[in-house]
Amino acid sequence: AQKVTQAQTEISVVEKEDVTLDCVYETRDTTYYLFWYKQPPSGELVFLIRRNSFDEQNEISGRYSWNFQKSTSSFNFTITASQVVDSAVYFCALSAGSGTASKLTFGTGTRLQVTL
Amino acid sequence: DAGITQSPRHKVTETGTPVTLRCHQTENHRYMYWYRQDPGHGLRLIHYSYGVKDTDKGEVSDGYSVSRSKTEDFLLTLESATSSQTSVYFCAIRQTSGSSSEQFFGPGTRLTVL
Repeated sequence: AQKVTQAQTEISVVEKEDVTLDCVYETRDTTYYLFWYKQPPSGELVFLIRRNSFDEQNEISGRYSWNFQKSTSSFNFTITASQVVDSAVYFCALSAGSGTASKLTFGTGTRLQVTL
Repeated sequence: DAGITQSPRHKVTETGTPVTLRCHQTENHRYMYWYRQDPGHGLRLIHYSYGVKDTDKGEVSDGYSVSRSKTEDFLLTLESATSSQTSVYFCAIRQTSGSSSEQFFGPGTRLTVL
């Protein structure tokens, strides 16, 4: 069985602060994929990144960066110089197992509030 | 934009009534999914489809059925709605590029069962 834990339920920061959202996953499969999605107040789910289990390189996209560490089963997401527009619920998700169904197991989400 | 629409976007119904939610895609994706989102649970998979008339259960399938008679439409039916099925329902498609694939989501349907 797969499991994703996002222990931080809610985080509040002041604009321009850096913030890290934690994600810890569990799976017995050696091949798996990790994802982050953003859900702004408008409610849609926005895909941010996919990482496969064979690629532990960190990734940076503008103010966003992701740190994947298999040794600790973590896939953390950092926002540098946060902005009010970053306020949203962020979900980490895992896809693992044999077959090609790509079913996602989601964490419970972290609500990020960025204030001026 | 992955070309996914959901209808209706909002619905209020009464306990015991049947409800059908529709997911429509325009890009001929093979895989489609239904998830529900509830506070404290994130999103959980209800059912998914891997082709016309090919469906399988997800984590929380009890009380739900699905049908896919054509590639572009994936229907989720609550045969007899209960208050515990009040939720936001998201449809998703799987988009594949080479060896990678991601799921993209529709706008969601907010269902209230009174």
